[in-house]
Amino acid sequence: GESVGLHLPTLSVQEGDNSIINCAYSNSASDYFIWYKQESGKGPQFIIDIRSNMDKRQGQRVTVLLNKTVKHLSLQIAATQPGDSAVYFCAEKGGGSNYKLTFGKGTLLTVNP
Amino acid sequence: EAQVTQNPRYLITVTGKKLTVTCSQNMNHEYMSWYRQDPGLGLRQIYYSMNVEVTDKGDVPEGYKVSRKEKRNFPLILESPSPNQTSLYFCASSLGLRGTYNEQFFGPGTRLTVL
Repeated sequence: GESVGLHLPTLSVQEGDNSIINCAYSNSASDYFIWYKQESGKGPQFIIDIRSNMDKRQGQRVTVLLNKTVKHLSLQIAATQPGDSAVYFCAEKGGGSNYKLTFGKGTLLTVNP
Repeated sequence: EAQVTQNPRYLITVTGKKLTVTCSQNMNHEYMSWYRQDPGLGLRQIYYSMNVEVTDKGDVPEGYKVSRKEKRNFPLILESPSPNQTSLYFCASSLGLRGTYNEQFFGPGTRLTVL
């Protein structure tokens, strides 16, 4: 498949453990944040999003935490499975009527059986 | 089936030869966007469009053009491609970015090589 990145931050976990992927964003005015998953050879896939007026949002096995004070976003994956192995990107939308999306460089998650 | 399609999937061309990569979505989405993905640099937004006839620059618009004459189509145009535009390109669409549930659907990607 296509290589999505070289020299990415990596996280290696055992199957069944919880994973935490971190992201620092740059624009204090950003008002919307998204996490994407990208498997080898495929386009990014939406996981979960959160608006800046929230601190936490939960989905199925995933939780996103937003700390605006330090401009930090995290994605928690519960009971990580081999199928979760992928590159994970965070993205931020500029505030207000600025609809530009800026992506982080990604984190490679490897789940060991 | 709801999807974003891109054509071609693979293209090898030469410097200076104009090309167009097409993107089409069948979900009546307002927001469409083009990205390029390069090793070590992640995804970078080239252009985006909030609706028909409304386009705006992303982070790396130089050397690219777009148009949004119809809601479903958002072609990416390289008037005079150069080798530094060799990349993996993704088109994406979503209902919009105003609400919470704005899942962005990505196309399968176009691998472009400029010699």
